[in-house]
Amino acid sequence: QVQLVESGGGVVQPGRSLRLSCAASGFTFSTYAMHWVCQAPGKGLEWVAVISFDGSNKEYADSVKGRFTISRDNSKNTLYLQMNSLRADDTAVYYCARDALLLTGYSSFDSWGQGTLVTVSS
Amino acid sequence: DIQLTQSPSFLSASIGDRVTITCRASQGISSYLAWYQQKPGKAPGLLIYAASTLQSGVPSRFSGSRSGTEFTLTINSLQPEDFATYYCQQLISYPRTFGQGTKVEIK
Repeated sequence: QVQLVESGGGVVQPGRSLRLSCAASGFTFSTYAMHWVCQAPGKGLEWVAVISFDGSNKEYADSVKGRFTISRDNSKNTLYLQMNSLRADDTAVYYCARDALLLTGYSSFDSWGQGTLVTVSS
Repeated sequence: DIQLTQSPSFLSASIGDRVTITCRASQGISSYLAWYQQKPGKAPGLLIYAASTLQSGVPSRFSGSRSGTEFTLTINSLQPEDFATYYCQQLISYPRTFGQGTKVEIK
């Protein structure tokens, strides 16, 4: 079955960096676009970034553009989110999610990881 | 950016009730809309995509519809496991915005 497992979260000071990972299994990772979505404590869902199946195309939310970088290593079935210049308002649970476009012909996020908490605090 | 406005933000309902949640898009998104359910402390789960197509494994009491830029999620005969927060999401353009969520609680 499809499994997505995030790691790399933790407590970090403002201005520092963190790299999140999302290990994928149970499907052909290299054929799916992947997303990061975050959720601040007690708040709603916010889309963060997407990367195409081969890594050639990326899009970002304005709130993270220039600070975060999404990448993937298809040989390791792993998705990454490099987070630089972190701010207090980046504090959130970060989820990776698979895009179901390949399966259904319509984009949607059909599989999600359990999330990893990033806390930005001095 | 496309904005999605969900209503209501909160609703209280009883087991067996029929519940309707609305999501209005700020511009046309065709049928590129999905609905998700999220329970406390858990990741969201896909319920419906393409506005009205039920995700595999989702109970048939859930349904979705579209009228122009207004989308509706209906839960027929609310069950105890349906008490959760529901989000809509547009998937026609980036950023892939979500609605603010609708929390369904037990009356």
